[in-house]
Amino acid sequence: DGGITQSPKYLFRKEGQNVTLSCEQNLNHDAMYWYRQDPGQGLRLIYYSQIVNDFQKGDIAEGYSVSREKKESFPLTVTSAQKNPTAFYLCASSIVGAGNTIYFGEGSWLTVV
Amino acid sequence: GIQVEQSPPDLILQEGANSTLRCNFSDSVNNLQWFHQNPWGQLINLFYIPSGTKQNGRLSATTVATERYSLLYISSSQTTDSGVYFCAVYNYKLSFGAGTTVTVRA
Repeated sequence: DGGITQSPKYLFRKEGQNVTLSCEQNLNHDAMYWYRQDPGQGLRLIYYSQIVNDFQKGDIAEGYSVSREKKESFPLTVTSAQKNPTAFYLCASSIVGAGNTIYFGEGSWLTVV
Repeated sequence: GIQVEQSPPDLILQEGANSTLRCNFSDSVNNLQWFHQNPWGQLINLFYIPSGTKQNGRLSATTVATERYSLLYISSSQTTDSGVYFCAVYNYKLSFGAGTTVTVRA
């Protein structure tokens, strides 16, 4: 089935550790995105990429890093520099362009313990 | 950046009731989408609606781009309609409102 797969679904991290969230899509979309969602709030854009080997910072990129080595994959690393990383992380993809629907994965819950 | 405001923040409905959710945005946009987030966190596209009116079953949406608002109508609500409804607008990036939490009681 076509779609976006995020893993792991649940992740616990100790303070000071980096963690990488996986996002894979088989929709043949050029654009991929990472969003963060905190309880009771909307989604905030962390990073996005419109083409392989290129990505742009979103509104809250500090403490995060990404790579886009393959069209299908857009992993997000939450670094130890992110001061409040506990949140729900959503990956999404779309065809490039303003007039296209964006599709989301099922999300990853990250808890810092 | 563009501001997206959704109202009401919370809505409690009895099964079978109708309701209207509103999304206001502060600048002209290229497109607007409505999403439903289920209790497990999954976001599902409901409508891509930069202007005009669309219907999908018991849901319909209307966007009046010149007046910078969109409305989502839920008719004959069911318990499965519970969740959070988000509006998102695109000018150079997709910006989300804070959502409307809908609870439908049997």
